[in-house]
Amino acid sequence: NAGVTQTPKFQVLKTGQSMTLQCAQDMNHEYMSWYRQDPGMGLRLIHYSVGAGITDQGEVPNGYNVSRSTTEDFPLRLLSAAPSQTSVYFCASSYSLLGVDSPLHFGNGTRLTVT
Amino acid sequence: QQQVKQSPQSLIVQKGGISIINCAYENTAFDYFPWYQQFPGKGPALLIAIRPDVSEKKEGRFTISFNKSAKQFSLHIMDSQPGDSATYFCAASVSGTYKYIFGTGTRLKVLA
Repeated sequence: NAGVTQTPKFQVLKTGQSMTLQCAQDMNHEYMSWYRQDPGMGLRLIHYSVGAGITDQGEVPNGYNVSRSTTEDFPLRLLSAAPSQTSVYFCASSYSLLGVDSPLHFGNGTRLTVT
Repeated sequence: QQQVKQSPQSLIVQKGGISIINCAYENTAFDYFPWYQQFPGKGPALLIAIRPDVSEKKEGRFTISFNKSAKQFSLHIMDSQPGDSATYFCAASVSGTYKYIFGTGTRLKVLA
């Protein structure tokens, strides 16, 4: 059981370039989300999805797009990378409504540097 | 207010000592308070969680203490071990929503 798989692990982009961070889960979780982790700022929610075809914005959605065509996959797209998007990105999933019986399962992250 | 304030930012404890990390919140609608543990190069993983209908929850060496009136909760790690060295995040959410608010994290180092 792989859990939540993120690719790539590391990425360096130049300002203005685009890329997609991949996230896949094999736990049949309905809920998937993207967080960014920055020093001193904790984890901030970018976008989330409660099922295939359904997405919504989190705290810091600007500069990022998402789509959810399947239950398993939830890619995060950076259309025009900026240095402010240098961060570690985590994908997380959960079985259903968040709570004691449905914790977040995180991937191991993608470290992105934008120069 | 959606913030969850976490302190201290970093903590150094001797092996066998007690590690204490504190969090405070403003939004009284929060009703689920998990703690996540993160090792270097890994994603956070759920450590322990509590709901405000209890004042304390213990799992092994890890205890959450919850003070509803003060809107504060804390993580206590008893008999701290070098293997506990990690970053710890508190969080809060409202049941039925899909949004956690995370604290800023505490980097714990337990000296052997």
